[in-house]
Amino acid sequence: DTGVSQDPRHKITKRGQNVTFRCDPISEHNRLYWYRQTLGQGPEFLTYFQNEAQLEKSRLLSDRFSAERPKGSFSTLEIQRTEQGDSAMYLCASSLAATLTDTQYFGPGTRLTVL
Amino acid sequence: AQSVTQLDSHVSVSEGTPVLLRCNYSSSYSPSLFWYVQHPNKGLQLLLKYTSAATLVKGINGFEAEFKKSETSFHLTKPSAHMSDAAEYFCVVKYGGSQGNLIFGKGTKLSVKP
Repeated sequence: DTGVSQDPRHKITKRGQNVTFRCDPISEHNRLYWYRQTLGQGPEFLTYFQNEAQLEKSRLLSDRFSAERPKGSFSTLEIQRTEQGDSAMYLCASSLAATLTDTQYFGPGTRLTVL
Repeated sequence: AQSVTQLDSHVSVSEGTPVLLRCNYSSSYSPSLFWYVQHPNKGLQLLLKYTSAATLVKGINGFEAEFKKSETSFHLTKPSAHMSDAAEYFCVVKYGGSQGNLIFGKGTKLSVKP
C-alpha cells in the first residue's frame, strides 16, 4: 500500500513528557499537512509544508508544538511538555500541488493519550 | 470567519432507504467543497469533491452531492443505504486563496438499521 503512513498509531505518555510523531506522505506528493481531531469534533488544521518549507501555521500550534520536514519527504510533529489537553488524534495528509484544488489524502492518525 | 455547518450530528436510516446529510458553508468566492468519510479506526477517505465544474458531483459508493450557490449548501445523498455506509461523514470547505487550510464540519454520524 502506498498511502500516507503514520507512526506510532497509538502513544500513551505522562504529562510533561515530550512526544514525537512521524508521517510519511505519498511519495510524489509535495504538500504535507498536520491536523488534530478531538473526540466528537472534525479535524482542525495545524500546519502545512510545501516541500521542506513550512508555509502556514494555525494559532492552535502553540510554541510547545514544532513540525519539521527537513528533506521535503517525511515530517515529524513534536509536542514538548505534554498536557492533558493535548490528548487527541493527530492526522497527517498529503497532496500534489498541481492546482489550488489539490486533494488531500489522509493517514490513519496517531492517537495520543496524556495521563 | 469562514465556516462549514453540518446541520445534523446524527442521522439514522433503515437499510435500503435514502440518505441525506446536510451541509451549509459560509459564502465566499470560489470555495472547493468535499465530503470525507471516517470509518471506526480507519483514516479519512475522500467521497467526492466540487471544484467549480458540474454542480452535481458523483462520488464513490453511490454517493453524490449537489452544489447550490443560492442556498450555500452542499448536501450529500445516496438513494439506498447499505449497512457498510455506517460511519462519520465530514463536510469540508477550502476557500480560494487558501493554500492548505481545509475547514471541517463537526461531522454527522450515520447509523444504518437492518
